[in-house]
Amino acid sequence: DQQVKQNSPSLSVQEGRISILNCDYTNSMFDYFLWYKKYPAEGPTFLISISSIKDKNEDGRFTVFLNKSAKHLSLHIVPSQPGDSAVYFCAASKGGTSYGKLTFGQGTILTVHP
Amino acid sequence: GAVVSQHPSRVICKSGTSVKIECRSLDFQATTMFWYRQFPKQSLMLMATSNEGSKATYEQGVEKDKFLINHASLTLSTLTVTSAHPEDSSFYICSARTAGTTEAFFGQGTRLTVV
Repeated sequence: DQQVKQNSPSLSVQEGRISILNCDYTNSMFDYFLWYKKYPAEGPTFLISISSIKDKNEDGRFTVFLNKSAKHLSLHIVPSQPGDSAVYFCAASKGGTSYGKLTFGQGTILTVHP
Repeated sequence: GAVVSQHPSRVICKSGTSVKIECRSLDFQATTMFWYRQFPKQSLMLMATSNEGSKATYEQGVEKDKFLINHASLTLSTLTVTSAHPEDSSFYICSARTAGTTEAFFGQGTRLTVV
């Protein structure tokens, strides 16, 4: 039972353009969502998070949007840079003592072309 | 930012032997630590959650007698893969969190190869 889904295995974007990565979830108990960037044989690097009480959170080039009714979130990267090329994972957790206990999506490979 | 150090980064062991992986929080107290496993081209799957001084809670399908987790201090958790077999070859990653916070910070991961 895949509770967090990233349906696009890969995304290719031109440098300077917007990258949009999507994520869907099924468990309505999730109330905290995160995006991570990961390279092979390394641990995930935290990018940005959002609480279920918000619908948008921005941090520099990264913006996460949450649509609770659709159980959908997206990560926007503007402008995209070649250094952004990596695997991006969406993750979700329930609140309280379950913070940090993450359910991950399958990942999306982002390639940003110069 | 908070730093989590995982050691070793890669290890090769013979089938039937045991291997220990360490996860340390360097600049904060890790009241809770999490262990994940990632098979090639797959997602990270939570194996177990451990709170300092308590027994670990294992996810469904994870053998607690095979994957021994110890979290004896607020800065160190260990995962021991006992009687390792080639199918245990994987990338193991820990994360750590302080009570009352929302973020968990990840270690660099350990590539285990059982031959």
